[in-house]
Amino acid sequence: ETGVTQTPRHLVMGMTNKKSLKCEQHLGHNAMYWYKQSAKKPLELMFVYSLEERVENNSVPSRFSPECPNSSHLFLHLHTLQPEDSALYLCASSQGDSGTGANVLTFGAGSRLTVL
Amino acid sequence: GQNIDQPTEMTATEGAIVQINCTYQTSGFNGLFWYQQHAGEAPTFLSYNVLDGLEEKGRFSSFLSRSKGYSYLLLKELQMKDSASYLCAVRDSDYKLSFGAGTTVTVRA
Repeated sequence: ETGVTQTPRHLVMGMTNKKSLKCEQHLGHNAMYWYKQSAKKPLELMFVYSLEERVENNSVPSRFSPECPNSSHLFLHLHTLQPEDSALYLCASSQGDSGTGANVLTFGAGSRLTVL
Repeated sequence: GQNIDQPTEMTATEGAIVQINCTYQTSGFNGLFWYQQHAGEAPTFLSYNVLDGLEEKGRFSSFLSRSKGYSYLLLKELQMKDSASYLCAVRDSDYKLSFGAGTTVTVRA
């Protein structure tokens, strides 16, 4: 596989469930990101990992818990979510997390989450 | 916070030209990006501007004026496959990237 792969593509969960989203990148990048995309709203950056260390956490509720076991894999653990958390969750990777150069993000196709 | 504005929707005819404007107010500036996102798919990189002027890449061109806080993405010779959402993103002086809400372009036959 190439690029950035996210699983599952669709997830429906109750507010008391615990689930995880998975992201894998095959590009040799050293930075990975979680974004939240809600309808008609800008992408919201949630977490950034650079060289497997979390370098940014944008005031995300603790019911979202990221994990980056190595530079190719990123997880988002979900528990006791709320209906307003329903959204498309996009994973991205880049070569470097700084702003030098173009630092283009490569996105996955996203995991569509519905919280009932 | 950062403020990135772009129109919500635009409609154009196949073969025509469409210009998507993006205005921004950010804490400093370190580059502007355009991404394309087809429904149900990943956003994909289209262009990057850091200096004033026009960057041309095939049917797509992107323009930047830093003094005006303004950019546009120009799509020429529109094709049905160009129907998608186009996202403007600006990187500020702290190298944080902020996205606009996206412009949905519909190409009609």
